[in-house]
Amino acid sequence: GQQVMQIPQYQHVQEGEDFTTYCNSSTTLSNIQWYKQRPGGHPVFLIQLVKSGEVKKQKRLTFQFGEAKKNSSLHITATQTTDVGTYFCAGSSGTYKYIFGTGTRLKVLA
Amino acid sequence: DGGITQSPKYLFRKEGQNVTLSCEQNLNHDAMYWYRQDPGQGLRLIYYSQIVNDFQKGDIAEGYSVSREKKESFPLTVTSAQKNPTAFYLCASTLSGGARTDTQYFGPGTRLTVL
Repeated sequence: GQQVMQIPQYQHVQEGEDFTTYCNSSTTLSNIQWYKQRPGGHPVFLIQLVKSGEVKKQKRLTFQFGEAKKNSSLHITATQTTDVGTYFCAGSSGTYKYIFGTGTRLKVLA
Repeated sequence: DGGITQSPKYLFRKEGQNVTLSCEQNLNHDAMYWYRQDPGQGLRLIYYSQIVNDFQKGDIAEGYSVSREKKESFPLTVTSAQKNPTAFYLCASTLSGGARTDTQYFGPGTRLTVL
């Protein structure tokens, strides 16, 4: 069945450093969503990518969708302590059912 | 305030007991979902419902049951047949059950511990 993997599983960075998490699907996706889950909290929607090669920015966050629509990345510039949490990608192959990635847990050291 | 509520926040049960987790939404969303999250892992789909009185199994439905008698409610029962039920359970909803681009809105979750 369809699988979505994320790397790295964990990332510790010093405040001010950049951070990137990568999402890879075993099948071609129709669209991909990114969520953030704070420690002890629930996932909160960040953004959705639909087009091949699409790039979207939200302040310090940059999201990319691969040309083949099988991978995606989230890049955070100059991390802050408020960026702490687990970042998940969730891919769809064209249905209402999403497959969530394994998540990348980010810790930011002040 | 519009949103999704889950109760209780923490739940303890003895082995062999069934337990029902509540999920209510006032967003007027058609579709609702149940996910399970284990420590350090992603979300796995248990059941989903696109419309009232209809639901489908997700990837890990064994040992679970659901009902969707009302649009706003989608309770999940964890039965004694579920071999490893201790986990964080998240309910979510989307505006439509057929649009693949809908945002998923999550409830605060219920943390179930089997003693």
